[in-house]
Amino acid sequence: AQSVSQHNHHVILSEAASLELGCNYSYGGTVNLFWYVQYPGQHLQLLLKYFSGDPLVKGIKGFEAEFIKSKFSFNLRKPSVQWSDTAEYFCAVNGNNRKLIWGLGTSLAVNP
Amino acid sequence: NAGVTQTPKFRVLKTGQSMTLLCAQDMNHEYMYWYRQDPGMGLRLIHYSVGEGTTAKGEVPDGYNVSRLKKQNFLLGLESAAPSQTSVYFCASSKAGHTGYTFGSGTRLTVV
Repeated sequence: AQSVSQHNHHVILSEAASLELGCNYSYGGTVNLFWYVQYPGQHLQLLLKYFSGDPLVKGIKGFEAEFIKSKFSFNLRKPSVQWSDTAEYFCAVNGNNRKLIWGLGTSLAVNP
Repeated sequence: NAGVTQTPKFRVLKTGQSMTLLCAQDMNHEYMYWYRQDPGMGLRLIHYSVGEGTTAKGEVPDGYNVSRLKKQNFLLGLESAAPSQTSVYFCASSKAGHTGYTFGSGTRLTVV
């Protein structure tokens, strides 16, 4: 069965610090990979996605993620976080079925 | 372009009462989903639909029913609400082939 693991449940950073959130999945075939963000009190929004091609994917608001197939990973990065990045971040994977498999989320708090 | 619209946004029910949550999308998406989101448990899929007139169970279907009589609408019903169904409910839709989900703004349901 497919599964998604997000290593960090809670992350606290100061503004301008660099961010890396881990995401690993278990599925041996071709995958589509996603990162979503949920700002406090809001719904989930797509940050970025990977289907094929360049494994380094750039998304909105300066976020990027790198797909490393050999490690089954799709880590999210941002060089310099802002207070407005405070949110919950979800990694999701789609393999051979019609549903996304979700990680449990990482809560990011950025202190000004 | 409204995207995905959920109604109502908030609701308080008494144990045993019934209600229907409505999800409407105007993007001509084939797939629609109902999730519940609870603290520390991420997103859990309740039911989903891959086309008009078809529905399928997700991870946590018990106590819920759904219908997709029209392509643009996906209804979630609670026949006899229980306090364990207190949650935030999100509807999402996607094209076939998974280009990513578009989420509604959520319904906060409290069962007392």
